[in-house]
Amino acid sequence: DTAVSQTPKYLVTQMGNDKSIKCEQNLGHDTMYWYKQDSKKFLKIMFSYNNKELIINETVPNRFSPKSPDKAHLNLHINSLELGDSAVYFCASSGTGGYQETQYFGPGTRLLVL
Amino acid sequence: DQQVKQNSPSLSVQEGRISILNCDYTNSMFDYFLWYKKYPAEGPTFLISISSIKDKNEDGRFTVFLNKSAKHLSLHIVPSQPGDSAVYFCAAPRPSSNTGKLIFGQGTTLQVKP
Repeated sequence: DTAVSQTPKYLVTQMGNDKSIKCEQNLGHDTMYWYKQDSKKFLKIMFSYNNKELIINETVPNRFSPKSPDKAHLNLHINSLELGDSAVYFCASSGTGGYQETQYFGPGTRLLVL
Repeated sequence: DQQVKQNSPSLSVQEGRISILNCDYTNSMFDYFLWYKKYPAEGPTFLISISSIKDKNEDGRFTVFLNKSAKHLSLHIVPSQPGDSAVYFCAAPRPSSNTGKLIFGQGTTLQVKP
């Protein structure tokens, strides 16, 4: 059983389109995250939700909108996709979002915007 | 401003030898550090951590050393095995954030040759 799963694994789309990436965790965790790994391989946090409430919102264009229907799911919707959005997006979760908690990552969604 | 840096993009060692992966940080307020390991097409997985009250933490073949005065930490793998070939990320939670807001280095790709 996969602890943190993401769909789709690969996403190829045209500039200007709107797309969503889904994430689910079956670990019973309260906190979920979205990270972006860019072409330079840096992993940077984008958002964090604790029990469906937004707690971290980094400087991310408002074309990116996370949605958490329940604490086991955190989806990422991207409007008007741009070339620079091409990256690998990782979802993660941790128990309560505490400072020293281990985060468990999904396998990533490879987004390519043409 | 990249506060966690891994200046060696890659490292190649022979099976059975020691692998040493390095990480530097700039923010003296960091007080907890983690190492994550990532295989291709998978998400990062937690490997080992260290609190700033310690200078060493060991878990089987993996040992992390922390030199606070130099703002430097290193991960030692002894003996190295071909299955250790992966990308290794150093990370630290952002100080005073009271959340799991991890700041990652850009990773070092380790290749262990049989």
